[in-house]
Amino acid sequence: GEDVEQSLFLSVREGDSSVINCTYTDSSSTYLYWYKQEPGAGLQLLTYIFSNMDMKQDQRLTVLLNKKDKHLSLRIADTQTGDSAIYFCAEREVSGRRALTFGSGTRLQVQP
Amino acid sequence: NAGVTQTPKFRVLKTGQSMTLLCAQDMNHEYMYWYRQDPGMGLRLIHYSVGEGTTAKGEVPDGYNVSRLKKQNFLLGLESAAPSQTSVYFCASSYGLLNQPQHFGDGTRLSIL
Repeated sequence: GEDVEQSLFLSVREGDSSVINCTYTDSSSTYLYWYKQEPGAGLQLLTYIFSNMDMKQDQRLTVLLNKKDKHLSLRIADTQTGDSAIYFCAEREVSGRRALTFGSGTRLQVQP
Repeated sequence: NAGVTQTPKFRVLKTGQSMTLLCAQDMNHEYMYWYRQDPGMGLRLIHYSVGEGTTAKGEVPDGYNVSRLKKQNFLLGLESAAPSQTSVYFCASSYGLLNQPQHFGDGTRLSIL
């Protein structure tokens, strides 16, 4: 079946860049999403990329997609303590008949 | 803007009890979803609905039932709660399956003793 994998934990210092990685198995994926979950809250859509794109930039966020390796990354520039959260990668396949497949989430801890 | 609202936010049940979780959305979305979130396992889809009066099974449907009698509401029922159903439950909604992002509620933390 479809699988989305992420590393569980990342720790960075405030002001540094964070890079959160995700790999997926479904070659028919169309949209790939990054969600952010703060403690006690639901998931908030951060950004997404269509599978015919290599890169998307949105303020401090940069999404890179390597379709050949089925690898997605989220780079957060100038990481702030408010960026501390769990980040989920999710993919949606082309037919739209299957709902999103989520990774297990990466907990980002930002040290002051 | 309320978005997606889940009630209750917290609940403790005894094994064998039943309960219903309510999800309401005010965005006129066609599609609604119920997920459970367990440590280290991400979100797993329980059931979903592609429109009023329709429901479908997701990845982990056993032990749960759902109903979508009104477009804005999606109910998740546990007929006989088991400790394995201790989890955080999230409801989400979207315009469509293909290229529309899902909007999530804040979750219901459920403990089964």
